[in-house]
Amino acid sequence: DTAVSQTPKYLVTQMGNDKSIKCEQNLGHDTMYWYKQDSKKFLKIMFSYNNKELIINETVPNRFSPKSPDKAHLNLHINSLELGDSAVYFCASSPGVTSNQPQHFGDGTRLSIL
Amino acid sequence: EDQVTQSPEALRLQEGESSSLNCSYTVSGLRGLFWYRQDPGKGPEFLFTLYSAGEEKEKERLKATLTKKESFLHITAPKPEDSATYLCAVQKGRDDKIIFGKGTRLHILP
Repeated sequence: DTAVSQTPKYLVTQMGNDKSIKCEQNLGHDTMYWYKQDSKKFLKIMFSYNNKELIINETVPNRFSPKSPDKAHLNLHINSLELGDSAVYFCASSPGVTSNQPQHFGDGTRLSIL
Repeated sequence: EDQVTQSPEALRLQEGESSSLNCSYTVSGLRGLFWYRQDPGKGPEFLFTLYSAGEEKEKERLKATLTKKESFLHITAPKPEDSATYLCAVQKGRDDKIIFGKGTRLHILP
């Protein structure tokens, strides 16, 4: 009964490829997020969706495209992967944008670019 | 510029040796300050939320406190299983964005 689940857990691929990461939450939350954690363990927000609508879009290359088919799912598609994209990507969810409740995180997808 | 700074970067303690982790922040209109624990290979796990200066929260050996400029995570008589990275994050104003600090890596020696 994992609250926020991401797949795959590990992703190893060649530079230039296109890949997707999937995220699902069963908490009934309205808002979902994608974070990137770099090699120095710094966690930085990339995107946020509220009820399938994009509300936060940080300075992220447009090779990264989030898609939310419904409020329980937020997928991340990455085109033309580069070496600098190697990191751990975390999905999270929270009750809503006007809430100051904590975010709940998945266990991450470790992306390695060869 | 909004900023969250955690110190120390790393801390090694003997089992039973109490200490405190610091999180200082400069944000306008704090809505909430969060503490998370992150184990290797896992996502951050929520510990506490603090909303206003003077507030304190406790859970087992951990106690979090908040002032207008910083938060402390006090750990009393820690055990080896308390070893983890502890992350502080702040949510500001009407913005849903949460800003994380770089974390403190805590290692408790048996």
